[in-house]
Amino acid sequence: KNEVEQSPQNLTAQEGEFITINCSYSVGISALHWLQQHPGGGIVSLFMLSSGKKKHGRLIATINIQEKHSSLHITASHPRDSAVYICAVRSGNQFYFGTGTSLTVIP
Amino acid sequence: GAVVSQHPSWVICKSGTSVKIECRSLDFQATTMFWYRQFPKQSLMLMATSNEGSKATYEQGVEKDKFLINHASLTLSTLTVTSAHPEDSSFYICSARPQPHNEQFFGPGTRLTVL
Repeated sequence: KNEVEQSPQNLTAQEGEFITINCSYSVGISALHWLQQHPGGGIVSLFMLSSGKKKHGRLIATINIQEKHSSLHITASHPRDSAVYICAVRSGNQFYFGTGTSLTVIP
Repeated sequence: GAVVSQHPSWVICKSGTSVKIECRSLDFQATTMFWYRQFPKQSLMLMATSNEGSKATYEQGVEKDKFLINHASLTLSTLTVTSAHPEDSSFYICSARPQPHNEQFFGPGTRLTVL
């Protein structure tokens, strides 16, 4: 069993839809990261969370430490949001990565 | 935001040669840098953690003599794949962490193809 599980694995949405990607983890963490990886491979760190909620533009990330669960929301999705979204958690000196959610937003 | 660069962005080499990949933090000092490898359609796998001025800490199963990591300055870490073989073909990504923060900033990655 992976320490970090993401769902769904693949997601196709129409432009403008509200999107939610979920991440559950099984280890104690000091921080959780949401990463965005574009088709070329480059990675952008979207959020780092240890509690509560963060918002940046159309992106919102929430975390529930008690339930060991985080969600990434995209409002008013756009084709340029098409990418793989990866959840990663830091536990002590270890980093654990989810396998990613591949998002395709259709115009 | 903080910027991390990698060079080269892609490299093709013959089997048996060595390849050096550079990771630079452009606008901050990174006491810790991380090296990851990603195979197609798989998630990132941490290879090693390097702290400036000290030896890198390698993850289990990663050969330190094959993947040489040097972190000689607060803005530069290098990964050298020695005697590369086709199975080393992968996407190599670095990230850098400015102390005392926990956030990491990722480089754009280097695609290595070994023929």
